[in-house]
Amino acid sequence: DIVMTQTPLSSPVTLGQPASISCRSSQSLEHSDGNTYLSWLQQRPGQPPRLLIYKISNRFSGVPDRFSGSGAGTDFTLKISRVEPEDVGVYYCMQATQFPRTFGQGTKVEIK
Amino acid sequence: QVLLVQSGTEVQKPGASVKISCKASGYTFSNFYMHWVRQAPGQGLEWVGIINPTGDSISYALKFQGRVTMTRDTSTSTVYMELRSLRSEDTAVYYCARAWNQYFDYWGQGTLVTVSS
Repeated sequence: DIVMTQTPLSSPVTLGQPASISCRSSQSLEHSDGNTYLSWLQQRPGQPPRLLIYKISNRFSGVPDRFSGSGAGTDFTLKISRVEPEDVGVYYCMQATQFPRTFGQGTKVEIK
Repeated sequence: QVLLVQSGTEVQKPGASVKISCKASGYTFSNFYMHWVRQAPGQGLEWVGIINPTGDSISYALKFQGRVTMTRDTSTSTVYMELRSLRSEDTAVYYCARAWNQYFDYWGQGTLVTVSS
């Protein structure tokens, strides 16, 4: 199984300031079809997860442009350009390159 | 709009079985696979398995094989997940999530399953 490792596990941020989360996979996420199937999910308190970013850097429908994704191979990053109150929650990276699908441990974003 | 509505909270004893439903609406059911994911209290996300709309292509995570069965009813656009021989470690919120281009684009609200004697 591909192991996904996120850092940091907790990220206290000031409103309006940026936040960054890293995700590393135990093997390359580049599929034989040439795509890299890495996504980011957001889980607000008491809510189900929500798809934010897919295929490394594509924002899903309705996701604000303050969220951006980057990376390649085994190293990926989610950035929030200016943290808003509604961004509080846990963020997960997830690989969809092979089965079983696996997730990072989650990074808790909270306001200082 | 796409909606996945799951069945309600379950409390089961160790060794029992539970069957959770996920009713889809707002899209063509036959065009999308469905995943199941679980989340133990205060923990992260764990993939359980995936089923295609016709029910003839199913894949389970290795740790659940032999204890889980996923089925679907196309007449009601509903998928089901049954987990048998429950143990306390199975206490979790179980989510269905629609498969879209390898990803999970819409999620159900979750079903809490508590396993306790």
